[in-house]
Amino acid sequence: KNQVEQSPQSLIILEGKNCTLQCNYTVSPFSNLRWYKQDTGRGPVSLTIMTFSENTKSNGRYTATLDADTKQSSLHITASQLSDSASYICVVSIPNAGNMLTFGGGTRLMVKP
Amino acid sequence: SQTIHQWPATLVQPVGSPLSLECTVEGTSNPNLYWYRQAAGRGLQLLFYSIGIDQISSEVPQNLSASRPQDRQFILSSKKLLLSDSGFYLCAWSLRGEAFFGQGTRLTVV
Repeated sequence: KNQVEQSPQSLIILEGKNCTLQCNYTVSPFSNLRWYKQDTGRGPVSLTIMTFSENTKSNGRYTATLDADTKQSSLHITASQLSDSASYICVVSIPNAGNMLTFGGGTRLMVKP
Repeated sequence: SQTIHQWPATLVQPVGSPLSLECTVEGTSNPNLYWYRQAAGRGLQLLFYSIGIDQISSEVPQNLSASRPQDRQFILSSKKLLLSDSGFYLCAWSLRGEAFFGQGTRLTVV
């Protein structure tokens, strides 16, 4: 079964520090891999999107990497801010299933002052 | 431009009452549509997905049902709500790699 696994489940860091969130997937092939940020009680908002041929994609302080050989992606957050506190979700799109979305369980990040 | 509307934003319903959450999509045709539920402090759980009108697949057995009477309308329903149905419900659509989410409905069953 196609799966997307994220780690850690939760993470607490101090404001200003960097952190890296992990996403491992068994989906193959895939159309694209996305990272979303979900604030509590809100819908997820897309941060980055990468196709299988891309290795890295940045969006401000967010940088996503993709290793298609090891089927791993990471989201690196630089100089964290209190507003980065949210859930971060990895989503893979499967082309031969009508571009069905497969979600990871998310990582809950809390940034403390 | 593509948009997705989901309503209501919040809902408080008594146990045993019916439920109807609606989601509509604009600016696209024949999208895949999804309903997700998120319990407090948990990840997104896929409830239903649809690849076309009247084509609904259920991922988990539950007290809920979904319908897609029109191409860009996806409805989540229940005949009798349970306390365990409380949660945050998200509608989403995807098409050719694009994916967008609604703002969610916070459902509290009391």
